[in-house]
Amino acid sequence: DVKVTQSSRYLVKRTGEKVFLECVQDMDHENMFWYRQDPGLGLRLIYFSYDVKMKEKGDIPEGYSVSREKKERFSLILESASTNQTSMYLCASSLSETQYFGPGTRLLVL
Amino acid sequence: DQQVKQNSPSLSVQEGRISILNCDYTNSMFDYFLWYKKYPAEGPTFLISISSIKDKNEDGRFTVFLNKSAKHLSLHIVPSQPGDSAVYFCAASARDNDMRFGAGTRLTVKP
Repeated sequence: DVKVTQSSRYLVKRTGEKVFLECVQDMDHENMFWYRQDPGLGLRLIYFSYDVKMKEKGDIPEGYSVSREKKERFSLILESASTNQTSMYLCASSLSETQYFGPGTRLLVL
Repeated sequence: DQQVKQNSPSLSVQEGRISILNCDYTNSMFDYFLWYKKYPAEGPTFLISISSIKDKNEDGRFTVFLNKSAKHLSLHIVPSQPGDSAVYFCAASARDNDMRFGAGTRLTVKP
């Protein structure tokens, strides 16, 4: 049974703060993804990684960076949080086409 | 540019009846399609998928139909149950490329 965990379910941060969102998967998957989900927009891809120390920009990478130092862990970093980054953040991992998602982190930036 | 579109933001169905959720895509390179189900405060969970070499895939109460010429797929749930009430996301991917998701359709199944 695939398990993807995210470090926080809810997070409240202030504008300008640096924010770290952690994601860990236990299935030895090569591929990991970060999405944000907003009403009416579905899931939009921020960054993804197909291997350790490898990262690729998704559709909306501006204002975000990522780190993949170990295969099982993929971190999303908001360098300087802004109110328009208030959203639900979803991490996923996959071996092939099917992605498995974590429970999500609801981030509120004040 | 939204390559995967779910034009109905919501759908309400009576328990026991059929639910039909629709999805359209624009990229002819997509060759694998998935449906995910999402409950509030949880991550999406994989429901069913279909490869472009097929036009139908069935799993219990859930059937996905693919019409490649129309670039359209649909998810049929029959019979619908109150526990099916959730947001359903359609997703599509092309070989060696990342996945694109639709905006989601909120299904409400009324007892």
